[in-house]
Amino acid sequence: GAGVSQSPSNKVTEKGKDVELRCDPISGHTALYWYRQRLGQGLEFLIYFQGNSAPDKSGLPSDRFSAERTGESVSTLTIQRTQQEDSAVYLCASSLEGPGDYGYTFGSGTRLTVV
Amino acid sequence: DAKTTQPPSMDCAEGRAANLPCNHSTISGNEYVYWYRQIHSQGPQYIIHGLKNNETNEMASLIITEDRKSSTLILPHATLRDTAVYYCIVRGNSGGSNYKLTFGKGTLLTVNP
Repeated sequence: GAGVSQSPSNKVTEKGKDVELRCDPISGHTALYWYRQRLGQGLEFLIYFQGNSAPDKSGLPSDRFSAERTGESVSTLTIQRTQQEDSAVYLCASSLEGPGDYGYTFGSGTRLTVV
Repeated sequence: DAKTTQPPSMDCAEGRAANLPCNHSTISGNEYVYWYRQIHSQGPQYIIHGLKNNETNEMASLIITEDRKSSTLILPHATLRDTAVYYCIVRGNSGGSNYKLTFGKGTLLTVNP
């Protein structure tokens, strides 16, 4: 597709349930990021995938959070046993890597509300 | 990652130039300066980036000081649609986790009619 696609755009879930968020990056983009943005706050880095390298998971806030990416395609972010503090917009971005790249393209995000 | 410092907010009159400053005094030689903006309820949008030379594209100009410790993003003719939070980020291009973007709080630019 022409841009980064995220689904669902909105998700309301009950506390304690698991949720899965999906990101379709731009075709050919080797790098993929997940960020979280709480209401009125800046972006928090969660996880970074680059090609076949081991992902950088240093931003995941707890072991309830995990993410996978198959090759250079779709990525899923899974949050287990959701808590109210997980409510946020989850943003995905992708990019070509290396010198001369022109920045990252972000999706429109998934707004997660835990009730 | 090098840290950046930006004013929390700025105002600009519609049609005038908006000059957004950013300090990055600890930037290292292989780190680029990137600017993104985030309009309310949307994902961040890439604007421009540079290493040491000034850069211009259809959206903005980026002026980097000779010592690279600060930069200014210039929107030459601001419109109401330019109201957004503008983020200045420094990032390496040498591979590995240097590619990670670290967002600060940014500058909320409000363009007034």
